[in-house]
Amino acid sequence: DIQMTQSPASLSASLGETVSIECLASEDIYSNLAWYQQKPGKSPQLLIYYASSLQDGVPSRFSGSESGTQYSLEINSLQPEDEGDYFCQQSYKFPPTFGGGTKLELK
Amino acid sequence: EIQLQESGPGLVKPSQSLSLTCSVTGYTITSGYDWSWIRKFPGNKMEWMGYISYSGSTNYNPSLKSRISITRDTSKNQFFLQLNSVTTEDTATYYCASQADYGYPFDYWGQGVMVTVSS
Repeated sequence: DIQMTQSPASLSASLGETVSIECLASEDIYSNLAWYQQKPGKSPQLLIYYASSLQDGVPSRFSGSESGTQYSLEINSLQPEDEGDYFCQQSYKFPPTFGGGTKLELK
Repeated sequence: EIQLQESGPGLVKPSQSLSLTCSVTGYTITSGYDWSWIRKFPGNKMEWMGYISYSGSTNYNPSLKSRISITRDTSKNQFFLQLNSVTTEDTATYYCASQADYGYPFDYWGQGVMVTVSS
């Protein structure tokens, strides 16, 4: 299975700051990478697909990028509603696999 | 809009079978999409378990292949998860989710149901 190593496991940031979350794939996944947000007690929500495509309705302060096998989710101008868990998922090779998640807290 | 809702017992004894239902509204499960089960363990590791396609074909994670079955009731627009011979390591929050086709992201998710395996 493709391993997705996600970092950091947690981070704390202030309103208005910019943060970045990384996922490193154990092999090339050819941009087949999605990012999800999950708020406490809620279902996961798709933010980004195919590494950098923004899902309909997702604020433009969320963006995705890639460099080789490293994928990044950047959140600009943090808002209170951005607090929650974030995780990545590859869909290039069967079975789909997930990163370990990042807990984002607002200071 | 597609909505998914999981239901089922929150407590299962070791060696028994875990059975969950995913009820889908806003879309007919035979019209399209693959319908998956995904679980999140304590500690946040997530595992895709398997799916049933709109045509009824199934595909399972090899790590579970001998224990898992996903079926459906098209008259009720529901699909089901059965996981046999559970152990405490199957304690997790179980989600149902949909994707337009294999390889696409999971664009709709249920709220999840927490299942504890304990005697």
